[in-house]
Amino acid sequence: AQSVTQPDIHITVSEGASLELRCNYSYGATPYLFWYVQSPGQGLQLLLKYFSGDTLVQGIKGFEAEFKRSQSSFNLRKPSVHWSDAAEYFCAVGAPGEAGKSTFGDGTTLTVKP
Amino acid sequence: GAVVSQHPSWVICKSGTSVKIECRSLDFQATTMFWYRQFPKQSLMLMATSNEGSKATYEQGVEKDKFLINHASLTLSTLTVTSAHPEDSSFYICSAGGGRRQPQHFGDGTRLSIL
Repeated sequence: AQSVTQPDIHITVSEGASLELRCNYSYGATPYLFWYVQSPGQGLQLLLKYFSGDTLVQGIKGFEAEFKRSQSSFNLRKPSVHWSDAAEYFCAVGAPGEAGKSTFGDGTTLTVKP
Repeated sequence: GAVVSQHPSWVICKSGTSVKIECRSLDFQATTMFWYRQFPKQSLMLMATSNEGSKATYEQGVEKDKFLINHASLTLSTLTVTSAHPEDSSFYICSAGGGRRQPQHFGDGTRLSIL
């Protein structure tokens, strides 16, 4: 069975500082990997996805993530955080051929200090 | 724009009533849709996979008779919470898509509050 671990429950960064959110997954082969952002009371918005190929993936809103097979990780990064980035971030893993069904991590809450 | 529409976004009702939540795919046909439940400050938990024209597949521990799923067309899946009680209060999110090398598209969620 697949699983996702987001080690950091809550992260606080200053506006303009860099950000890295950690994600580790467990899956027998190369999974599909996703990062989503959720604002309070809202649904999920896809930031970026990895299926195969280039391990550095660019997403929306200036986010990127790097797939590292040896570490079973898919960490999300942003060079300069904006106050509007404050939200809940979820890493998810999907099994190819499972019709898109995803397993989600517990999420990381990002707070941005002025 | 949104590719998955979920309705209603917020519903408050009395204990014992049934509540129906709709999930529509707007720009594509979805033979499979997914229903998730999210408790406050927690992650999404998959409840069931909705299959067009056939029975839904429920995850372990989810009561089939409590959470009725109907996927009558390629663009609509409904989740009915039957005889709802306060413990059913939660945020319910649907998704569609996720085919080969495609991400899921999520609805905006439904906040269900049972009094």
